[in-house]
Amino acid sequence: EAEVAQSPRYKITEKSQAVAFWCDPISGHATLYWYRQILGQGPELLVQFQDESVVDDSQLPKDRFSAERLKGVDSTLKIQPAELGDSAMYLCASSSGPGQGRYEQYFGPGTRLTVT
Amino acid sequence: QKEVEQDPGPLSVPEGAIVSLNCTYSNSAFQYFMWYRQYSRKGPELLMYTYSSGNKEDGRFTAQVDKSSKYISLFIRDSQPSDSATYLCAMTSQGGSEKLVFGKGTKLTVNP
Repeated sequence: EAEVAQSPRYKITEKSQAVAFWCDPISGHATLYWYRQILGQGPELLVQFQDESVVDDSQLPKDRFSAERLKGVDSTLKIQPAELGDSAMYLCASSSGPGQGRYEQYFGPGTRLTVT
Repeated sequence: QKEVEQDPGPLSVPEGAIVSLNCTYSNSAFQYFMWYRQYSRKGPELLMYTYSSGNKEDGRFTAQVDKSSKYISLFIRDSQPSDSATYLCAMTSQGGSEKLVFGKGTKLTVNP
């Protein structure tokens, strides 16, 4: 069964350091999402890509966060510099995009970030 | 008021019980409703997906949507210890960025 791949699964970093997460969506899925999930809360959208274009990054803290999906396939989310409040699970999801099934989002296993 | 409200629990039931999980929402534009199951330290897994009002059944799981009351439910019949997880409701509106708005999740434990 096709799955969303993410790496690393766990990351511990010191505050003020840079950190990057990688996501490979389900093959053929045009839409890719990055969510952040704080412990005890539901995921919240950070950024959405349609192919290589950003559709929604209104909740992305752009002073420290950046995301790219250069070839419209895999994606990287970067934080620089990391802050203590960034400790959370970072989840990548994908959907087939416009058309049938566009609202069915499939999540990867996540990257658990701890900032010390 | 948050757009989606969900009682975080925790909810503890004996094996074989019928479980009812619920969410309320305030945005009348929401038309697509999902339930995700999330095991500890894992990503959410899509369980059920419903469009607009009505019921949808899949095995032991039944999803209900009442748009007039802005209320959605997930029922689990014959609950099993393997159902122990956090259940997240999520919803989105047609058009726009299609971002999912999630509830906080309800932590369920099914005791053998």
